[in-house]
Order: sequence, then structure tokens, then C-alpha cells
Amino acid sequence: GAVVSQHPSWVICKSGTSVKIECRSLDFQATTMFWYRQFPKQSLMLMATSNEGSKATYEQGVEKDKFLINHASLTLSTLTVTSAHPEDSSFYICSSHSPDYGYTFGSGTRLTVV
Amino acid sequence: GNSVTQMEGPVTLSEEAFLTINCTYTATGYPSLFWYVQYPGEGLQLLLKATKADDKGSNKGFEATYRKETTSFHLEKGSVQVSDSAVYFCALRPAGGGNKLTFGTGTQLKVEL
Repeated sequence: GAVVSQHPSWVICKSGTSVKIECRSLDFQATTMFWYRQFPKQSLMLMATSNEGSKATYEQGVEKDKFLINHASLTLSTLTVTSAHPEDSSFYICSSHSPDYGYTFGSGTRLTVV
Repeated sequence: GNSVTQMEGPVTLSEEAFLTINCTYTATGYPSLFWYVQYPGEGLQLLLKATKADDKGSNKGFEATYRKETTSFHLEKGSVQVSDSAVYFCALRPAGGGNKLTFGTGTQLKVEL
């Protein structure tokens, strides 16, 4: 079946630094990639939707300059948390959508900003 | 707008007990409905889905029936195992196109020996 590989699975960074999270679709092309943020014991909050080769569409309240999303190819999408602060600590999950495989979720990235 | 309401957890059951996790939705038309499972520290895995009214999704002993009249998609399993302990999310995809999923808040299930 379809697999989305998400890396890193966890990362600790210092306040003010930037962190990049990658999601790669293996053996299939992800026309759309969704990026979610999940707070402890809460549901997934959609942050943005990206389509290959075009700018991401951000949900209301999500700072596009802080959460940079790049979907340069049909197999790679990245989320960069810029100038991270402790309040950005969270679990970030990507999900691809393709006509053949539907939705496929990455395994998530636990970000801790200290 | 679209919304999904799930019963609050945690739900704690003994092994081999019967499981029901309620899910109701608000949406126009006939959305597609999903149940996802999330194990600790992992992403979501599709458990089952149904795309039209009266469809029954099933997988690994879990079942859910798409009930348009009650706008519900309750998850059931006849005999749970310790390995079923996880968080379960109900979700919908709106009818008429669009790929955004709307998730419920999730229900944590704990199964004890």
C-alpha cells in the first residue's frame, strides 16, 4: 500500500531556531499534502493544504510566514517552523491525498522547543 | 459548516468486552465517513470507511454503519483486545468534492486484562 515517510520522528530545538519536517510519498505521487497540528489529547487541527508546484493554502489563524510549506515535487512536501518558540511545541502530522490511494498519513513529528 | 462529534473518553474496558464509540456528524448531502486509529506516538491509520448511506465498513473485527437518518457512524467491536488500546478518530469528507477531512476530537480506548 501507499506509505508516507515523515522525518524526523522527534526533534528538540532551541528557541529562535528553525526546524524542517519532511514528508515523502513512497512509490506514489501525492497530488495534495495536508499538514496538521495535534495538541495533547486533542484532535487534529488542519494548518494548511499544499498542491505540487503551487502555494499552500493556509487555514484561518495559521501564520504562513511562521509555518513555511513547500511542495516542490509530487513526492516531497516540507514544513518549516521558523523562529520556533516553546508554544510551537506540538505533534505535527502530514497526510497525502492521491486519487489512487486516498489519504495516507505520516507517522508524525514530535517537536519540542526549549 | 461540517462537524464531527465523538463521545468523550477515555473508555476503559476489560478484554473481550463489547465496544461502542459513538460518532455523529453534521454535513450537507452524503459525505464519506471514516474511522482512523492512532497508536501512541504514531500517525493515523485508516481503520474503515463508508461512502454512502447504509454502507457498512469493517476491518479487523471493527464495524461501523453509515446511518443517514441519524447522521451517525458508530464504531463497534464485539470483543476487544489489549492491542486495541489507542485513540480512535471519526472523520468526514464532504460530499461534492474537496479533499479536506473534518475530524472529531478522538476517543481514547484503554483495554485491560
